[in-house]
Amino acid sequence: NAGVTQTPKFQVLKTGQSMTLQCAQDMNHEYMSWYRQDPGMGLRLIHYSVGAGITDQGEVPNGYNVSRSTTEDFPLRLLSAAPSQTSVYFCASSYSEGAGQGYTFGSGTRLTVV
Amino acid sequence: AQSVTQPDIHITVSEGASLELRCNYSYGATPYLFWYVQSPGQGLQLLLKYFSGDTLVQGIKGFEAEFKRSQSSFNLRKPSVHWSDAAEYFCAVGAGGYNKLIFGAGTRLAVHP
Repeated sequence: NAGVTQTPKFQVLKTGQSMTLQCAQDMNHEYMSWYRQDPGMGLRLIHYSVGAGITDQGEVPNGYNVSRSTTEDFPLRLLSAAPSQTSVYFCASSYSEGAGQGYTFGSGTRLTVV
Repeated sequence: AQSVTQPDIHITVSEGASLELRCNYSYGATPYLFWYVQSPGQGLQLLLKYFSGDTLVQGIKGFEAEFKRSQSSFNLRKPSVHWSDAAEYFCAVGAGGYNKLIFGAGTRLAVHP
């Protein structure tokens, strides 16, 4: 089925560990983004990309890295996990830049840092 | 700065009753506005969106929303709620270029039989 695929669905990390959250879409969307969802705070933008080779920071980028080597994939790297990064992470994609395009969201990765 | 406020954190309605979820935004230009729904353990699904034109927008699952520029509001409505509508609802505004969305904190809807 076409859509946005995130792996893993659940992950527990120890403080200081690193890991990569995977995101792939098969809709040929140019725009991809990563959000984190925390209770009472809605979704906050971490990083986004407007096409292969182009990334930029969102509202809460510290502690995260991204790259976009292909149109399909947009992995999110946690460099040194901290308990404050315990959250649910969503990847989303859409056609072209310009506010107004609805996103397609993945089903999320629930991350716990202990 | 752009922002979205959803004043109601939790709402409980009876099945068959009407529903209105409130959303207020702060944005300098003409906004792009969205409502998303999130079922437990799931990602977000787009219910409807407003770009321009008719201020009453129809969406999926029987939902509609009305854009009121004078009140900076984009409230979501449904005339008769079903038990399957229990979920969390997010209002969002498209903030300028690069397709960035700013989300409200969400409203959790419970439906009593």
